[in-house]
Amino acid sequence: GDSVTQTEGQVALSEEDFLTIHCNYSASGYPTLFWYVQYPGEGPQLLFRASRDKEKGSSRGFEATYDKGTTSFHLRKASVQESDSAVYYCALSDNNAGAKLTFGGGTRLTVRP
Amino acid sequence: GPKVLQIPSHQIIDMGQMVTLNCDPVSNHLYFYWYKQILGQQMEFLVNFYNGKVMEKSKLFKDQFSVERPDGSYFTLKIQPTALEDSAVYFCASSLTGGHSDYTFGSGTRLLVI
Repeated sequence: GDSVTQTEGQVALSEEDFLTIHCNYSASGYPTLFWYVQYPGEGPQLLFRASRDKEKGSSRGFEATYDKGTTSFHLRKASVQESDSAVYYCALSDNNAGAKLTFGGGTRLTVRP
Repeated sequence: GPKVLQIPSHQIIDMGQMVTLNCDPVSNHLYFYWYKQILGQQMEFLVNFYNGKVMEKSKLFKDQFSVERPDGSYFTLKIQPTALEDSAVYFCASSLTGGHSDYTFGSGTRLLVI
């Protein structure tokens, strides 16, 4: 079945550092890829998504580019802030109506002031 | 923005008892979902529901689980009987079109089976 792998379980940075969280996927079809952010006590919130090869998704300074060749969708941000501290999930879904999301293991980002 | 409400936020229950988790989805949404997240682990799909029927369920959706949404009221997940391994946070989600642009999650119900 489909799967999503996030390499980093935890990332600790200082404010203004550059962030990369690696995400690789395995899927039989041509999935839509997502990044979600989850704050304590809340459900996941969509950051952005991408549906086609080479498409870039972005929001709040975060960005990722769909790369079908390397089956990757790495999350990057040039300068993190303390308020970015949260758990980030890479996910995929096929494009059928009502399709489920398959999540990666999540990456806990802690940003020190 | 529109919200998915989950009631209760926390529930402690004795093993073997029945529990019902309630989800009040976004008002005009048509597709409904349950996900399970064990502490420290990833979120996993349980089931989706549309037009009064289960569309797809995962291997985690055991025979003891059932879902329904009678007459546009709460979308519920019932577990009967509960087991210790059912302890987790259960997230409800809903969407209008079944696509991904409006997929909205609730804040979860933290279930502890003792």
